[in-house]
Amino acid sequence: AQSVTQLDSHVSVSEGTPVLLRCNYSSSYSPSLFWYVQHPNKGLQLLLKYTSAATLVKGINGFEAEFKKSETSFHLTKPSAHMSDAAEYFCVVTTDSWGKFQFGAGTQVVVTP
Amino acid sequence: DTGVSQDPRHKITKRGQNVTFRCDPISEHNRLYWYRQTLGQGPEFLTYFQNEAQLEKSRLLSDRFSAERPKGSFSTLEIQRTEQGDSAMYLCASSLTVGNSPLHFGNGTRLTVT
Repeated sequence: AQSVTQLDSHVSVSEGTPVLLRCNYSSSYSPSLFWYVQHPNKGLQLLLKYTSAATLVKGINGFEAEFKKSETSFHLTKPSAHMSDAAEYFCVVTTDSWGKFQFGAGTQVVVTP
Repeated sequence: DTGVSQDPRHKITKRGQNVTFRCDPISEHNRLYWYRQTLGQGPEFLTYFQNEAQLEKSRLLSDRFSAERPKGSFSTLEIQRTEQGDSAMYLCASSLTVGNSPLHFGNGTRLTVT
């Protein structure tokens, strides 16, 4: 079985400071992992994906994530937050043999001036 | 790539009425997914198709819910005898089958049952 746990439901950061969103997963198979962002009243947009290539994955808008198999983690980071980063972020896991995508509960990011 | 489109964007209906939503996936994508999202929660899997075959349905999907993808292109999700608990955002996504390709989402249909 696959599951995803996002460790923080809300994260508040000041503009220009680093952002860290934590995600742990469990999977019976080699997983593929994704981060999505959702702005209010919008669909989900792919930020980045890990599919067993490089463990450090770079995405759009300056985000990156590191896959750590030993810790079963896939944390999302950005060195400097921008006001436009205020949104909800979802960590997602799937496997080739499964076909379904399991979403975490989400982390709401607030960026203050 | 014109993206995934969903229609309507918003639907308000009275309890007990039937509603139908449509999803048009990215044309070359053979997988199509339906998710439901309530306020403050992550998307919950409902069902998915590979071409016209419905491969899996969630246990969350009661008998009042039915989904089709008759020609392996667009899909419809119908909810019969709507209940207030059906109020949610219904998200459609599509993907390729190859190598854990990511989901591409539409903007969703927001259903309000009064």
